[in-house]
Amino acid sequence: DAGVIQSPRHEVTEMGQEVTLRCKPISGHDYLFWYRQTMMRGLELLIYFNNNVPIDDSGMPEDRFSAKMPNASFSTLKIQPSEPRDSAVYFCASRDRGGTEAFFGQGTRLTVV
Amino acid sequence: AQSVTQPDIHITVSEGASLELRCNYSYGATPYLFWYVQSPGQGLQLLLKYFSGDTLVQGIKGFEAEFKRSQSSFNLRKPSVHWSDAAEYFCAVGSNQGGKLIFGQGTELSVKP
Repeated sequence: DAGVIQSPRHEVTEMGQEVTLRCKPISGHDYLFWYRQTMMRGLELLIYFNNNVPIDDSGMPEDRFSAKMPNASFSTLKIQPSEPRDSAVYFCASRDRGGTEAFFGQGTRLTVV
Repeated sequence: AQSVTQPDIHITVSEGASLELRCNYSYGATPYLFWYVQSPGQGLQLLLKYFSGDTLVQGIKGFEAEFKRSQSSFNLRKPSVHWSDAAEYFCAVGSNQGGKLIFGQGTELSVKP
């Protein structure tokens, strides 16, 4: 398996624009997580899915953020409209139901100017 | 409440010296414990994990960690640090039933010649 795949690796956008981050989890994994990493706040869990259903979205900062998982092999995190304070590295991770470790993608570095 | 505390934000050690990174957790159920490493610009890579059994676990790159239930700790150790070990290290706890991993704030390790 190629691991968790995220795209794009880097994204630069202007304030007010819509941004969509993409993630393909490891095949067979039941859980998918979206994390945000910043210098100030460290690694924050934004939302996670179990079998494509959102379980906990309490970490989503505000209504500008939304996440979907239309099928077991694809998830998106959308920010609309984007703001400079959204600049961060966004990680996707997946985990299987047996409770083993989470596998992380390489992350998407988002810069909002 | 479930939480992970890494008391040291930044540690500097000399190359060849021993290393211990501290991790304390608070978790209601039987915890699964993990240490991850993140090199600059990279995703998180699993170093080692503890599920059950022997409380001293061996990981990759010569790292080991010891689970101490009485102290709610899972400290990471390495007998002799190499310059390539400079990175950020994250401790995490999760359930054996799947679900989210809770991460500490991370400890940044610098290695001086």
